[in-house]
Amino acid sequence: EVVMTQSPATLSVSPGERATLSCRASQSVTSNLAWYQQKPGQSPRLLIYGASTRATGVPARFSGSGSGTEFTLTISSLQSEDFAVYYCHQYNNWPPLTFGGGSKVEI
Amino acid sequence: QVELQESGPGLVKPSETLSLTCTVSGVSISSHYWSWLRQPPGKGLEWIGYVYYSGATNYNPSLMSRVTISIDTSKNQFSLRLTSVTAADTAVYYCARHAFKAPFDFWGQGTLVTVSS
Repeated sequence: EVVMTQSPATLSVSPGERATLSCRASQSVTSNLAWYQQKPGQSPRLLIYGASTRATGVPARFSGSGSGTEFTLTISSLQSEDFAVYYCHQYNNWPPLTFGGGSKVEI
Repeated sequence: QVELQESGPGLVKPSETLSLTCTVSGVSISSHYWSWLRQPPGKGLEWIGYVYYSGATNYNPSLMSRVTISIDTSKNQFSLRLTSVTAADTAVYYCARHAFKAPFDFWGQGTLVTVSS
């Protein structure tokens, strides 16, 4: 099983600041890595796939980078609607498909 | 527009079987892969398994002995059965669509299933 580890668990930032979230895989997942945003009471929303490709309708302030075992999600200038929990997900090796434990971005 | 909607009992007794159905609209279920995932209250996401339109399945090894996922192309639906449930199976259950070696691009709104007597 590919174990995904996210850090930090919680990131406290102010609107307008930059947020950087990390995700590490226990073995290489090449570029088969996605990021999701989840707000309370909502289902996850796909933000990034292929490690760095924004999904349809995702603002340009969201960017992803990395390959192999180390990945980063950057939100360049946080807006109020960006405060949420973010999950990374590897779809390179299965079963099982696996997720990181999540990083909460709070004010 | 692709839409997925979970349905089924919100309360299941311990040791019984949890059964949920996902109804897909806006696209034929005879393409892509269709997964079930879950999220215990306040916790992260866990993939349960998927079914392909051909009926082929793949399950999370941690749940494999208790899980069955099936598909009904005539109704554009797929279903989850989880046997011998315990309180640890209490979670919001999601259905989602994906392609081969691709992320989950469309999700249902989720349905909370509580295991309690």
